[in-house]
Amino acid sequence: SQTIHQWPATLVQPVGSPLSLECTVEGTSNPNLYWYRQAAGRGLQLLFYSVGIGQISSEVPQNLSASRPQDRQFILSSKKLLLSDSGFYLCAWTPRADHEQYFGPGTRLTVT
Amino acid sequence: SQQGEEDPQALSIQEGENATMNCSYKTSINNLQWYRQNSGRGLVHLILIRSNEREKHSGRLRVTLDTSKKSSSLLITASRAADTASYFCATDVIGGTSYGKLTFGQGTILTVHP
Repeated sequence: SQTIHQWPATLVQPVGSPLSLECTVEGTSNPNLYWYRQAAGRGLQLLFYSVGIGQISSEVPQNLSASRPQDRQFILSSKKLLLSDSGFYLCAWTPRADHEQYFGPGTRLTVT
Repeated sequence: SQQGEEDPQALSIQEGENATMNCSYKTSINNLQWYRQNSGRGLVHLILIRSNEREKHSGRLRVTLDTSKKSSSLLITASRAADTASYFCATDVIGGTSYGKLTFGQGTILTVHP
């Protein structure tokens, strides 16, 4: 069966520090991968998606970047965090478009 | 502006009652999906309904889709305290290369009192 992992679960970082969040999927190959951010009490905002290794599409101009170095690994990064980067970051995968998405447990990021 | 908007923002009911949540969207879609989120957790997929479908059932869940009104509803029958969660609709919009990108609404917070 397929499993999606995210780490860390929680993170507290000072403004200006770098960020690296990791997402890995097991039990499938060539998934579509997605990074979302959720502000407190709000819906999800799509940040990045990827349909293959090295292919990244950005949905919202921001302080973040994403990379997909391996088929089932998706990384969200920042060189210098802003206060506004705080939120709940969720990774998701799907075997193809027009299909349900499967979400990881999320990373709660607090920038202080 | 948001593609999907849920109504109501919050719903409080007693166990055994039915809960109905509505979702409206603006542009044509390939499909509409409903997800559930327990506090502080990831989302769990509930139902996917395609644009050529009008109604789908899964256990105690019933989803309807009216593409002429650009709206959908999620009905949870005989609710339980364990149904307490946030519920989101998400749309997969027609046009271009979709890649399964979803646009989420702001969600409905459902509280079921024992």
